[in-house]
Amino acid sequence: DIQMTQSPSSLYASVGDRVTMTCRASQSIASYLNWYQQKPGKAPRLLIYGAFNVQSGVPSRFRGSTSGTEFTLTISSVQPDDFATYYCQRSYSFPRTFGQGTKVEIK
Amino acid sequence: QVRLQQSGPGLVKPSETLSLTCAISGDSVSSNTAAWNWIRQSPSGGLEWLGRTLFRSKKWYNEYSLSVTSRISINPDTSRNQFSLQLNSVTPEDTAVYFCGREGSYCSGDICDYYAMDVWGQGTSVTVPS
Repeated sequence: DIQMTQSPSSLYASVGDRVTMTCRASQSIASYLNWYQQKPGKAPRLLIYGAFNVQSGVPSRFRGSTSGTEFTLTISSVQPDDFATYYCQRSYSFPRTFGQGTKVEIK
Repeated sequence: QVRLQQSGPGLVKPSETLSLTCAISGDSVSSNTAAWNWIRQSPSGGLEWLGRTLFRSKKWYNEYSLSVTSRISINPDTSRNQFSLQLNSVTPEDTAVYFCGREGSYCSGDICDYYAMDVWGQGTSVTVPS
């Protein structure tokens, strides 16, 4: 199976900071990578599909990028509503593996 | 607006069968562009994709995670526009929050085979006691 490894597992940020997190695939998955945001007690919410396409209704401060098997989610200016856990997920072949998550916490 | 409403018991005894249902509104389980998934989240927080069902070219297809393939069944119910999860022979390791999810299909540039979980159920906490 292709493994999805996220880093860091957690980070601290202040409102207005630029935040980046990474997801690395153990093999090529082209651009078949999604990003989700999850808050405690809630279902995940789709942010990015196809590595860099922002889902409708998602603020433009969220941006996805890729370089080979490394994928990055950037929040250009983190807002109070953005403190949550973020997961990547491969959408190429099966299983649809998720990364272990990056928790963004308030500094 | 597409909505998914989950139902099912929150407590299942060891060795018995976990059964959950996901009722769909605003879309069809027979959609030719969506797939219908089950995902679970362990108490430690990790998300695990379990499997999906989808309807293409007048046939139903299923894909399952190898970790549960011998115990799992995901079935559509076209008369009620819903789909279900059955997980047999459960153990305490199956304790988790279970989500159903719609995989919508998306285009990026000229490629239109991107799938993403764009609608989720509310989640059902299932406990298998030891």
